[in-house]
Amino acid sequence: DIQMTQSPSTLSASVGDRVTITCRASQSISSWLAWYQQKPGKAPKLLIYKASSLESGVPSRFSGSGSGTEFTLTISSLQPDDFATYYCQGTLTFGGGTKVEIK
Amino acid sequence: EVQLVESGGGLVQPGGSLRLSCAASGFTFSSYEMNWVRQAPGKGLEWVSYISSSGSTIYYADSVKGRFTISRDNAKNSLYLQMNSLRAEDTAVYYCAREGGTNGRGDAFDIWGQGTMVTVSS
Repeated sequence: DIQMTQSPSTLSASVGDRVTITCRASQSISSWLAWYQQKPGKAPKLLIYKASSLESGVPSRFSGSGSGTEFTLTISSLQPDDFATYYCQGTLTFGGGTKVEIK
Repeated sequence: EVQLVESGGGLVQPGGSLRLSCAASGFTFSSYEMNWVRQAPGKGLEWVSYISSSGSTIYYADSVKGRFTISRDNAKNSLYLQMNSLRAEDTAVYYCAREGGTNGRGDAFDIWGQGTMVTVSS
């Protein structure tokens, strides 16, 4: 089974910061990687699919990159609405999550 | 509006059974692969089960294999999860989620329900 490892598990940042979250797959998953945002008490929301494709309606400050086993989610300028937990997903397996907190 | 609505959650004793339902609307349900995902209180997301659009291909996480059964009724636009031999560690919010392959999104889950809480406790 493929394992997905996210880092960091928690990230403290300020509004306006550039934020990068990393996701590593235990074996190559080509570009079959998605990123989700989840806020407390809510269902996850798709942000990025196929590693770098932005879901419709998602702000352009979110971007994804990578292929094979190494992937990143970047928020170019953190906004107040972006404080949430982010998950990567590769071939059905989710990463452990990264909580983005206010610094 | 594209929508998934789960129901059937509740409190059940260890060893008991529960059947979750997910009603789909606003899209051609029969064209999409579907999944169940769960989230234990304060924990991360865990994929539970997958079913192909026709129902002919099914996968389960090792943690539920042999105890849970996924099914669908395309005529009723509904997805189901039959959960037997429930354990305390099955306590979680259960989400149904649509796979966006038909929309070119690969295996990403593009539509999620609001979730239904399952509590396994005596």
